[in-house]
Amino acid sequence: LAKTTQPISMDSYEGQEVNITCSHNNIATNDYITWYQQFPSQGPRFIIQGYKTKVTNEVASLFIPADRKSSTLSLPRVSLSDTAVYYCLVVKAAGNKLTFGGGTRVLVKP
Amino acid sequence: GAGVSQTPSNKVTEKGKYVELRCDPISGHTALYWYRQSLGQGPEFLIYFQGTGAADDSGLPNDRFFAVRPEGSVSTLKIQRTERGDSAVYLCASSPQGGVSYNEQFFGPGTRLTVL
Repeated sequence: LAKTTQPISMDSYEGQEVNITCSHNNIATNDYITWYQQFPSQGPRFIIQGYKTKVTNEVASLFIPADRKSSTLSLPRVSLSDTAVYYCLVVKAAGNKLTFGGGTRVLVKP
Repeated sequence: GAGVSQTPSNKVTEKGKYVELRCDPISGHTALYWYRQSLGQGPEFLIYFQGTGAADDSGLPNDRFFAVRPEGSVSTLKIQRTERGDSAVYLCASSPQGGVSYNEQFFGPGTRLTVL
């Protein structure tokens, strides 16, 4: 399974856009890119998933270049409640488990 | 609707004791997963059930760990002869179907296990 690399931590301020880039150089043809969010004392929560180009939902946008060796999660106009750990995962189309790395700790300051 | 629930929320036990952790998945979800999360790390896969059967138990660390899902709904993770290194948050997740990991998994709040 493709290994992912993402920043350990990032600081931001309320109202700013946060972009977290994840590297997955060994991604396979049938792999998807998925992002989960985890608040303290809670289980992870699915945010967004994509295969290529751009995906947008009510929470975030996911940008995936043509070579798919990296992806960028974009959180528009963050608030204090967006402080969390964000995990980038590469998942197989036909698989049965999620493989988490260390994630990126995002701290949103007032 | 009701999400994934886990009981107890906290469990403190002594080294060498036996513990059971329970997971109630979202109604109708056929796939159920157990993960373990140590402080400061991402969750680590333990076992996956499709219905009543364990389809993948490759993440169980050793034979002290066992899980069941007898009726295809509630699951119990059992740990024998607990060790201090077993201390972690044990997370349960479910999804509508298994074998397709790009499907969203819905996580419970976890059980924090502390082995003294």
